[in-house]
Amino acid sequence: AQKITQTQPGMFVQEKEAVTLDCTYDTSDPSYGLFWYKQPSSGEMIFLIYQGSYDQQNATEGRYSLNFQKARKSANLVISASQLGDSAMYFCAMRAYSGDMRFGAGTRLTVKP
Amino acid sequence: DGGITQSPKYLFRKEGQNVTLSCEQNLNHDAMYWYRQDPGQGLRLIYYSQIVNDFQKGDIAEGYSVSREKKESFPLTVTSAQKNPTAFYLCASSTRGVGYEQYFGPGTRLTVT
Repeated sequence: AQKITQTQPGMFVQEKEAVTLDCTYDTSDPSYGLFWYKQPSSGEMIFLIYQGSYDQQNATEGRYSLNFQKARKSANLVISASQLGDSAMYFCAMRAYSGDMRFGAGTRLTVKP
Repeated sequence: DGGITQSPKYLFRKEGQNVTLSCEQNLNHDAMYWYRQDPGQGLRLIYYSQIVNDFQKGDIAEGYSVSREKKESFPLTVTSAQKNPTAFYLCASSTRGVGYEQYFGPGTRLTVT
């Protein structure tokens, strides 16, 4: 079974600075997808970015980029130019060929003014 | 206006009662999922379904049951066998395949006393 690990329960970043949220995964499937979601205090889940296991280039979406290191099985999220509205829980997730999608424990990001 | 609806937003039940949480989607997605989230924790997979009339157990299926009689609907029943049912329950749907993100409903907060 696949496993997702987020080792940073909480992170602080100064407004306008960049921050990296760590994610490692474990799977024996050669084909998989990696996702990051944001969950504000309202509880909604907001999709941020996707990386496929066969993608050669790191994914980027606006201020979000995914640092994908396949050999290390890591898929870290980089948020550039942090804003106060970025304060939220962030979840890394992996979807395997079998179709199930599993999430890490999450990292609570706090952006300080 | 496509999306996923979960009702109700808040649900209160007495211990020993079964309760069914509703999840409906009009996104024409084949796959649907149920997750449980405890305060400050990640999402844990309860059940998922890739196609009508078929579903698989996730990591914490004990004490829960589901059905998938229609493509649009994936109701979750929390039975009296579930020892700690108080939690936030999230339903999601997606297109099948590793490269497709999940779309989430707003969640149901269940309190059992």
